[in-house]
Amino acid sequence: NAGVTQTPKFQVLKTGQSMTLQCAQDMNHEYMSWYRQDPGMGLRLIHYSVGAGITDQGEVPNGYNVSRSTTEDFPLRLLSAAPSQTSVYFCASSYGGLAGGHEQYFGPGTRLTVT
Amino acid sequence: AQSVTQLDSQVPVFEEAPVELRCNYSSSVSVYLFWYVQYPNQGLQLLLKYLSGSTLVKGINGFEAEFNKSQTSFHLRKPSVHISDTAEYFCAVSDGRGAQKLVFGQGTRLTINP
Repeated sequence: NAGVTQTPKFQVLKTGQSMTLQCAQDMNHEYMSWYRQDPGMGLRLIHYSVGAGITDQGEVPNGYNVSRSTTEDFPLRLLSAAPSQTSVYFCASSYGGLAGGHEQYFGPGTRLTVT
Repeated sequence: AQSVTQLDSQVPVFEEAPVELRCNYSSSVSVYLFWYVQYPNQGLQLLLKYLSGSTLVKGINGFEAEFNKSQTSFHLRKPSVHISDTAEYFCAVSDGRGAQKLVFGQGTRLTINP
């Protein structure tokens, strides 16, 4: 199993540009989430999905869109990049419910810089 | 809503010394508690978790944590650290209904000196 994969690893954008961060998992997990990590702030939830076709907002959703058309993929779209979106982005997946132990599996991250 | 406070942003210790990383949480409902570790330039890896049952939880790499409901704490301990334990450690909480919605603390950077 590759686990959770993210592409690209690094990206530099200019203010106003759009892009999609890719996330895929091969563990047949129901739940997938996107977090951003900023120094001194830990990780904050952007959007999450409890299954194909179902998404919801997390703590910091503004400026980001998501969709979940398949179980495996959960892309994160930046509509019009701003310097405040400079961060490291992590995708995570997990089984649903107590039987899955609630452990989230994290990808290696995408480091995004917006100039 | 839940929140998590990690009381130390940085903890330097000598190799083979014991260490405790502190975590306090607030929540109006029952919670699940987690410690994750992030090695340099990597994603997060689960160290241990408390879902129910025994309040002393053992994890990987010799770490353990104790859930204290009355003090709303979930401190992480290791009796003897190694250089390879140098990493950032995150405490996290979820309310069980949305276990995929983790709320993280700010992180504690553990530095091991030889």
